[in-house]
Amino acid sequence: KAGVTQTPRYLIKTRGQQVTLSCSPISGHRSVSWYQQTPGQGLQFLFEYFSETQRNKGNFPGRFSGRQFSNSRSEMNVSTLELGDSALYLCASSWLEGGTDTQYFGPGTRLTVL
Amino acid sequence: TQLLEQSPQFLSIQEGENLTVYCNSSSVFSSLQWYRQEPGEGPVLLVTVVTGGEVKKLKRLTFQFGDARKDSSLHITAAQPGDTGLYLCAGVRFNKFYFGSGTKLNVKP
Repeated sequence: KAGVTQTPRYLIKTRGQQVTLSCSPISGHRSVSWYQQTPGQGLQFLFEYFSETQRNKGNFPGRFSGRQFSNSRSEMNVSTLELGDSALYLCASSWLEGGTDTQYFGPGTRLTVL
Repeated sequence: TQLLEQSPQFLSIQEGENLTVYCNSSSVFSSLQWYRQEPGEGPVLLVTVVTGGEVKKLKRLTFQFGDARKDSSLHITAAQPGDTGLYLCAGVRFNKFYFGSGTKLNVKP
């Protein structure tokens, strides 16, 4: 069974631009969560989608948004990029929503904002 | 401020040594997980502990959940170079995952 895939793997943008990251969960998984990983703050929860609905949200500004499609694939969008948005963005999928099930992480998208 | 504090942040040891990584909080968690992450990859789940006082063993790794479900430890016996990586603890609280800042372990041959 294929694992969680994320595209693109690497991305370079400039301040003020916007970016869209994509995550394809393991087949059959309906929950997709997004995380931001930085050396200073570690891994921080952005949001979780289950069956196309946002179920949980972390403490990030409204510039960070996401959505989930009927096939469970998810996208994350960051608008008006700032230097501090440079990070590894990870998505994780699971069968069940919330913290009730094992999460399987993708390899991440490394975003660099110049 | 992180909800989960992990210590130490960095650990460099020789092959064969023992080590313990700590994950502490003032909050109660419904469960706690430990992950290992290697460069260029996402975290991989090692274990989930659910019950206060629970101890789980995975070969040379021993995981313990505190009685009050606020803290956890990971003990590695006779570390090997293949244990090198970033170890992360994650607590589940009200259906959200909260990760510790991680412990970067380097085991030298």
